[in-house]
Amino acid sequence: SQQGEEDPQALSIQEGENATMNCSYKTSINNLQWYRQNSGRGLVHLILIRSNEREKHSGRLRVTLDTSKKSSSLLITASRAADTASYFCATARGGSNYKLTFGKGTLLTVNP
Amino acid sequence: EAGVAQSPRYKIIEKRQSVAFWCNPISGHATLYWYQQILGQGPKLLIQFQNNGVVDDSQLPKDRFSAERLKGVDSTLKIQPAKLEDSAVYLCASSLGLGETQYFGPGTRLLVL
Repeated sequence: SQQGEEDPQALSIQEGENATMNCSYKTSINNLQWYRQNSGRGLVHLILIRSNEREKHSGRLRVTLDTSKKSSSLLITASRAADTASYFCATARGGSNYKLTFGKGTLLTVNP
Repeated sequence: EAGVAQSPRYKIIEKRQSVAFWCNPISGHATLYWYQQILGQGPKLLIQFQNNGVVDDSQLPKDRFSAERLKGVDSTLKIQPAKLEDSAVYLCASSLGLGETQYFGPGTRLLVL
């Protein structure tokens, strides 16, 4: 079963604008990760935020995590055409049986 | 540094036939994963290995799917017999260990007719 649910399912913006994608999940987590997938580079890890963190930055990416609401958001600032891809959140539960559960993804299209 | 290698990249078979996929993880990575990604969905974990031992195969349809990782390096995933609903991209990933960042291969796109 898929734990994370991304919102919106699809997003279309102009180059230079910011893009925000949201992820909601159901059970407690150890960490939450965001991945990008496009035909050129496959599935690539972007950023990981742990359950005791609230915000994290990496270049033009900003991720927030609200464990009380079981939700996370990914903000891409100053978007580029090359950011066009599907973005997935993946939740990880801890312990010896550590594994990732992916959501269905948000398809982001950045128009030049 | 070489990434995760997978072959073949594409495969078309008829239902009830068998098929096998191969994965070579990044050198030194102890943990290897196989995911199934159906069109329009996120990847779903089928099985994960720590060295050559199975850590989790709870979502692997064991009546038709099997996987092995001999010598704790390369891995093969087999489907026998294939069904129409097995049409998907099969992704292999590896990481230094459990809980570490996973690196994905390009995937094998399977079409079952």
